[in-house]
Amino acid sequence: DGGITQSPKYLFRKEGQNVTLSCEQNLNHDAMYWYRQDPGQGLRLIYYSQIVNDFQKGDIAEGYSVSREKKESFPLTVTSAQKNPTAFYLCASSMRGTGELFFGEGSRLTVL
Amino acid sequence: GEDVEQSLFLSVREGDSSVINCTYTDSSSTYLYWYKQEPGAGLQLLTYIFSNMDMKQDQRLTVLLNKKDKHLSLRIADTQTGDSAIYFCAESASYISSGSARQLTFGSGTQLTVLP
Repeated sequence: DGGITQSPKYLFRKEGQNVTLSCEQNLNHDAMYWYRQDPGQGLRLIYYSQIVNDFQKGDIAEGYSVSREKKESFPLTVTSAQKNPTAFYLCASSMRGTGELFFGEGSRLTVL
Repeated sequence: GEDVEQSLFLSVREGDSSVINCTYTDSSSTYLYWYKQEPGAGLQLLTYIFSNMDMKQDQRLTVLLNKKDKHLSLRIADTQTGDSAIYFCAESASYISSGSARQLTFGSGTQLTVLP
Protein backbone atom coordinates (compact mmCIF):
# COMPACT_ATOMS: atom_id res chain seq x y z
CA ASP A 1 0.00 0.00 0.00
CA GLY A 2 1.18 3.54 -0.72
CA GLY A 3 1.90 5.79 2.19
CA ILE A 4 4.38 7.47 4.47
CA THR A 5 6.32 5.55 7.08
CA GLN A 6 7.93 7.26 10.04
CA SER A 7 10.26 5.57 12.51
CA PRO A 8 10.74 5.21 15.34
CA LYS A 9 7.30 5.90 16.78
CA TYR A 10 8.76 6.67 20.22
CA LEU A 11 12.26 7.88 20.96
CA PHE A 12 13.98 8.89 24.17
CA ARG A 13 17.11 10.98 24.12
CA LYS A 14 19.49 12.32 26.69
CA GLU A 15 20.34 15.98 26.62
CA GLY A 16 23.29 16.70 24.33
CA GLN A 17 22.58 13.86 21.91
CA ASN A 18 21.61 14.17 18.28
CA VAL A 19 18.81 11.93 17.04
CA THR A 20 17.57 11.19 13.53
CA LEU A 21 13.94 10.55 12.65
CA SER A 22 13.26 8.55 9.51
CA CYS A 23 10.59 9.36 6.91
CA GLU A 24 10.00 7.25 3.79
CA GLN A 25 7.26 7.63 1.18
CA ASN A 26 6.28 5.47 -1.79
CA LEU A 27 3.70 7.87 -3.21
CA ASN A 28 6.10 9.30 -5.80
CA HIS A 29 5.55 12.79 -4.38
CA ASP A 30 8.08 15.48 -5.12
CA ALA A 31 7.47 17.60 -2.01
CA MET A 32 8.14 16.46 1.53
CA TYR A 33 7.78 18.29 4.84
CA TRP A 34 8.60 18.05 8.53
CA TYR A 35 6.25 19.56 11.09
CA ARG A 36 6.45 19.85 14.83
CA GLN A 37 3.33 19.58 16.99
CA ASP A 38 3.13 20.72 20.60
CA PRO A 39 0.05 20.23 22.83
CA GLY A 40 -2.71 22.74 22.09
CA GLN A 41 -0.86 24.20 19.13
CA GLY A 42 -1.14 23.85 15.43
CA LEU A 43 1.56 22.35 13.26
CA ARG A 44 4.70 24.37 12.73
CA LEU A 45 6.86 23.82 9.66
CA ILE A 46 10.49 22.87 10.32
CA TYR A 47 11.86 22.10 6.85
CA TYR A 48 10.50 21.24 3.44
CA SER A 49 11.93 19.86 0.23
CA GLN A 50 10.55 20.33 -3.26
CA ILE A 51 12.99 18.12 -5.10
CA VAL A 52 15.91 15.79 -4.50
CA ASN A 53 19.05 17.50 -3.19
CA ASP A 54 17.13 20.65 -2.34
CA PHE A 55 15.49 21.72 0.93
CA GLN A 56 14.43 24.95 2.57
CA LYS A 57 13.98 26.19 6.13
CA GLY A 58 10.51 26.54 7.48
CA ASP A 59 9.36 28.67 10.38
CA ILE A 60 11.29 26.90 13.17
CA ALA A 61 14.41 25.36 11.56
CA GLU A 62 16.91 26.29 14.27
CA GLY A 63 18.41 23.20 15.91
CA TYR A 64 17.26 20.87 13.13
CA SER A 65 18.84 19.54 9.93
CA VAL A 66 17.58 17.48 7.00
CA SER A 67 18.79 15.80 3.83
CA ARG A 68 17.07 14.72 0.63
CA GLU A 69 19.37 12.32 -1.19
CA LYS A 70 16.52 10.22 -2.57
CA LYS A 71 13.01 11.16 -3.63
CA GLU A 72 11.54 8.64 -1.20
CA SER A 73 13.46 9.69 1.90
CA PHE A 74 13.57 12.86 4.00
CA PRO A 75 15.24 12.22 7.39
CA LEU A 76 15.20 14.84 10.14
CA THR A 77 18.04 15.24 12.65
CA VAL A 78 17.24 16.91 15.94
CA THR A 79 20.54 18.30 17.13
CA SER A 80 21.72 19.16 20.62
CA ALA A 81 21.32 22.81 19.66
CA GLN A 82 17.52 22.48 19.72
CA LYS A 83 16.55 24.02 23.06
CA ASN A 84 13.22 22.29 23.58
CA PRO A 85 13.13 19.15 21.43
CA THR A 86 10.44 17.18 23.28
CA ALA A 87 7.52 17.12 20.84
CA PHE A 88 5.53 15.10 18.33
CA TYR A 89 7.13 15.19 14.86
CA LEU A 90 5.11 14.68 11.71
CA CYS A 91 6.42 14.01 8.22
CA ALA A 92 4.25 14.69 5.18
CA SER A 93 4.40 14.68 1.42
CA SER A 94 2.27 16.28 -1.25
CA MET A 95 1.61 16.18 -4.94
CA ARG A 96 0.96 19.07 -7.27
CA GLY A 97 -2.58 20.28 -7.71
CA THR A 98 -4.62 20.54 -4.57
CA GLY A 99 -1.57 20.45 -2.34
CA GLU A 100 -3.17 17.78 -0.20
CA LEU A 101 -0.71 16.67 2.46
CA PHE A 102 -0.35 12.99 3.28
CA PHE A 103 0.98 12.46 6.80
CA GLY A 104 2.91 9.72 8.49
CA GLU A 105 1.89 8.39 11.89
CA GLY A 106 4.35 10.62 13.71
CA SER A 107 7.36 10.18 15.99
CA ARG A 108 7.23 11.23 19.64
CA LEU A 109 10.59 12.43 20.93
CA THR A 110 11.18 12.80 24.66
CA VAL A 111 14.35 14.32 26.03
CA LEU A 112 15.27 13.02 29.46
CA GLY B 1 1.64 36.70 8.45
CA GLU B 2 -1.29 34.42 7.79
CA ASP B 3 -3.33 33.25 10.76
CA VAL B 4 -5.93 30.55 11.23
CA GLU B 5 -8.05 30.44 14.38
CA GLN B 6 -10.29 27.77 15.85
CA SER B 7 -11.97 27.24 19.18
CA LEU B 8 -10.14 24.65 21.26
CA PHE B 9 -12.98 22.41 22.48
CA LEU B 10 -16.41 21.20 21.39
CA SER B 11 -18.65 18.62 23.05
CA VAL B 12 -21.74 17.11 21.46
CA ARG B 13 -24.11 14.23 22.17
CA GLU B 14 -23.95 11.14 20.02
CA GLY B 15 -26.39 11.47 17.13
CA ASP B 16 -26.37 15.27 17.15
CA SER B 17 -24.66 17.42 14.53
CA SER B 18 -21.27 18.97 15.24
CA VAL B 19 -20.19 22.28 13.77
CA ILE B 20 -16.52 23.23 13.96
CA ASN B 21 -15.66 26.78 12.98
CA CYS B 22 -12.50 28.36 11.63
CA THR B 23 -11.49 31.86 10.62
CA TYR B 24 -8.50 32.80 8.50
CA THR B 25 -6.84 36.04 7.52
CA ASP B 26 -5.23 35.39 4.12
CA SER B 27 -7.59 36.69 1.46
CA SER B 28 -5.54 34.98 -1.25
CA SER B 29 -6.20 31.50 0.11
CA THR B 30 -6.94 29.14 -2.73
CA TYR B 31 -7.53 25.86 -0.88
CA LEU B 32 -8.95 25.30 2.59
CA TYR B 33 -8.67 21.94 4.26
CA TRP B 34 -10.07 19.98 7.18
CA TYR B 35 -7.84 17.35 8.76
CA LYS B 36 -8.66 14.86 11.53
CA GLN B 37 -6.13 13.62 14.08
CA GLU B 38 -6.80 10.69 16.38
CA PRO B 39 -4.70 10.27 19.55
CA GLY B 40 -1.05 9.51 18.86
CA ALA B 41 -1.52 9.45 15.10
CA GLY B 42 -0.83 11.59 12.08
CA LEU B 43 -3.32 13.86 10.36
CA GLN B 44 -5.82 12.51 7.88
CA LEU B 45 -7.37 14.74 5.25
CA LEU B 46 -11.16 14.75 5.58
CA THR B 47 -12.04 17.16 2.83
CA TYR B 48 -10.97 20.35 1.14
CA ILE B 49 -12.70 23.19 -0.64
CA PHE B 50 -11.49 25.44 -3.39
CA SER B 51 -11.92 29.13 -2.72
CA ASN B 52 -14.41 29.67 -5.54
CA MET B 53 -16.87 27.27 -3.92
CA ASP B 54 -19.41 28.06 -1.19
CA MET B 55 -20.24 24.57 -0.08
CA LYS B 56 -19.04 21.02 -0.43
CA GLN B 57 -20.81 17.93 0.83
CA ASP B 58 -19.31 14.49 1.25
CA GLN B 59 -21.52 11.92 3.01
CA ARG B 60 -21.85 13.12 6.64
CA LEU B 61 -19.51 16.07 6.12
CA THR B 62 -20.57 19.51 4.92
CA VAL B 63 -18.09 22.32 4.45
CA LEU B 64 -19.32 25.90 4.22
CA LEU B 65 -17.10 28.74 3.08
CA ASN B 66 -17.92 32.42 3.56
CA LYS B 67 -15.14 34.08 1.66
CA LYS B 68 -16.31 37.60 2.52
CA ASP B 69 -16.01 36.92 6.25
CA LYS B 70 -13.07 34.49 5.80
CA HIS B 71 -15.03 31.88 7.74
CA LEU B 72 -14.95 28.13 7.19
CA SER B 73 -17.04 25.55 8.96
CA LEU B 74 -17.22 21.77 9.08
CA ARG B 75 -20.53 20.15 9.93
CA ILE B 76 -20.58 16.48 10.89
CA ALA B 77 -24.06 15.00 10.75
CA ASP B 78 -25.12 12.20 13.11
CA THR B 79 -21.91 12.46 15.13
CA GLN B 80 -20.59 9.15 16.44
CA THR B 81 -18.14 8.30 19.21
CA GLY B 82 -15.60 7.42 16.52
CA ASP B 83 -15.65 11.04 15.44
CA SER B 84 -13.98 12.06 18.70
CA ALA B 85 -10.64 13.55 17.62
CA ILE B 86 -8.84 16.82 17.01
CA TYR B 87 -9.93 18.63 13.86
CA PHE B 88 -7.54 21.03 12.14
CA CYS B 89 -8.44 23.73 9.70
CA ALA B 90 -5.67 24.75 7.26
CA GLU B 91 -5.34 27.16 4.40
CA SER B 92 -2.98 27.41 1.45
CA ALA B 93 -2.48 30.37 -0.80
CA SER B 94 -0.01 29.24 -3.40
CA TYR B 95 2.91 27.09 -4.24
CA ILE B 96 6.20 28.00 -2.64
CA SER B 97 8.39 29.80 -5.19
CA SER B 98 6.46 28.18 -8.04
CA GLY B 99 7.79 24.80 -6.96
CA SER B 100 5.97 21.63 -6.01
CA ALA B 101 5.49 22.40 -2.30
CA ARG B 102 2.58 24.29 -0.77
CA GLN B 103 2.79 26.40 2.35
CA LEU B 104 -0.09 25.44 4.61
CA THR B 105 -1.05 27.41 7.71
CA PHE B 106 -2.78 25.31 10.35
CA GLY B 107 -5.12 26.32 13.13
CA SER B 108 -4.51 25.06 16.67
CA GLY B 109 -7.11 22.34 16.32
CA THR B 110 -10.53 21.75 17.90
CA GLN B 111 -10.86 18.80 20.27
CA LEU B 112 -14.25 17.22 19.53
CA THR B 113 -15.66 15.06 22.31
CA VAL B 114 -18.73 12.97 21.56
CA LEU B 115 -20.73 12.07 24.64
CA PRO B 116 -22.84 8.89 24.72
